[in-house]
Amino acid sequence: AQKITQTQPGMFVQEKEAVTLDCTYDTSDQSYGLFWYKQPSSGEMIFLIYQGSYDEQNATEGRYSLNFQKARKSANLVISASQLGDSAMYFCAMRGPAYSGAGSYQLTFGKGTKLSVIP
Amino acid sequence: DVKVTQSSRYLVKRTGEKVFLECVQDMDHENMFWYRQDPGLGLRLIYFSYDVKMKEKGDIPEGYSVSREKKERFSLILESASTNQTSMYLCASNSGHYPNSPLHFGNGTRLTVT
Repeated sequence: AQKITQTQPGMFVQEKEAVTLDCTYDTSDQSYGLFWYKQPSSGEMIFLIYQGSYDEQNATEGRYSLNFQKARKSANLVISASQLGDSAMYFCAMRGPAYSGAGSYQLTFGKGTKLSVIP
Repeated sequence: DVKVTQSSRYLVKRTGEKVFLECVQDMDHENMFWYRQDPGLGLRLIYFSYDVKMKEKGDIPEGYSVSREKKERFSLILESASTNQTSMYLCASNSGHYPNSPLHFGNGTRLTVT
């Protein structure tokens, strides 16, 4: 079974500072993928960044980067130059194995980290 | 632009009622999912479907069923609503062709069962 652990229920960061949100995972699969989502107070789930298990480079998307350490089974999200609009819940998720080769990949989610950006 | 639409934003039902939550996607995605979100528990998978008329149980299927008669529509059914099914329900879809295809979510339905 796959498991995602986010150990920080809540975090604070000063505006314009960088912040790291922790995510560790457990899987016996060799091929997997890791996703980060943002959920503002409005409730929508916004996809931020993806890292594949065979990707040699850490993924980056604008101010978001993923610090992927495969041996430690961690996939931490780094947000640089925090903005007030970054205040939200952040979820780490792992892609499961394909179901019966049908191409259906489930995502298992962690419990989330609530980030608050302080002006 | 990619769109997943859930029919209701807020819903209030009584215990024992049969409840239908509807979800439609316009991206021709093969896969559709229903998650439940509760504070402190994250998102938990209820059911998913990888093709029309195909369905598979997720982690917490008890008390729920689903229906997928058309590719674009995936319905979640609470046969007899109970107060412990009060929650936020999120529908999502993604492509079955690409392993790194992210889930696209609807805006959620907040269901209250009294």
